[in-house]
Amino acid sequence: EAGVTQFPSHSVIEKGQTVTLRCDPISGHDNLYWYRRVMGKEIKFLLHFVKESKQDESGMPNNRFLAERTGGTYSTLKVQPAELEDSGVYFCASSLGRTSYNEQFFGPGTRLTVL
Amino acid sequence: TQLLEQSPQFLSIQEGENLTVYCNSSSVFSSLQWYRQEPGEGPVLLVTVVTGGEVKKLKRLTFQFGDARKDSSLHITAAQPGDTGLYLCAGCRMNRDDKIIFGKGTRLHILP
Repeated sequence: EAGVTQFPSHSVIEKGQTVTLRCDPISGHDNLYWYRRVMGKEIKFLLHFVKESKQDESGMPNNRFLAERTGGTYSTLKVQPAELEDSGVYFCASSLGRTSYNEQFFGPGTRLTVL
Repeated sequence: TQLLEQSPQFLSIQEGENLTVYCNSSSVFSSLQWYRQEPGEGPVLLVTVVTGGEVKKLKRLTFQFGDARKDSSLHITAAQPGDTGLYLCAGCRMNRDDKIIFGKGTRLHILP
């Protein structure tokens, strides 16, 4: 069974440009999460989808970030316009249920570098 | 403010030695988890502890959840070079089961 996949694996863009990250969760997983690790800091929660609905977006840094999950399958995270501080590794995770008893499976991450 | 403090941040020891990594918080967690992350990959869950005082073993790795559910430890017996990697503690706070909070991690290097 395929795990969580993310595309691209790396992205280098200039400040002010737009970037869209994609996450394909494990098939059948209704719960999809986005996390981010900025250099030197811990992995931090960004938001949580249940199917196509945003359940919790309290971790989104600001309105330059837009996450979507149309159809409740794959998700995209768009950063527009990108700023230097957006650099980091963006992880996606998916789970069958939403309690701590339901393991979240993480993708390999997208490393974003904003120059 | 970091909710989960992990120590040490870096640890380099000889093969065969024992080690303990600590994860501490002033908050109560409904569960604590330990992950291992390899370069270029996402975190992979090793274990989840949910009951205060709970101890779980995974071969040479022993995980313990504090009685008050505010801290946890990972003990490795007779470390091997294959144990080298980044170990992350993470937890779910009470009534927020679906939102994982991570520590910064402990980068472990086992010298052959």
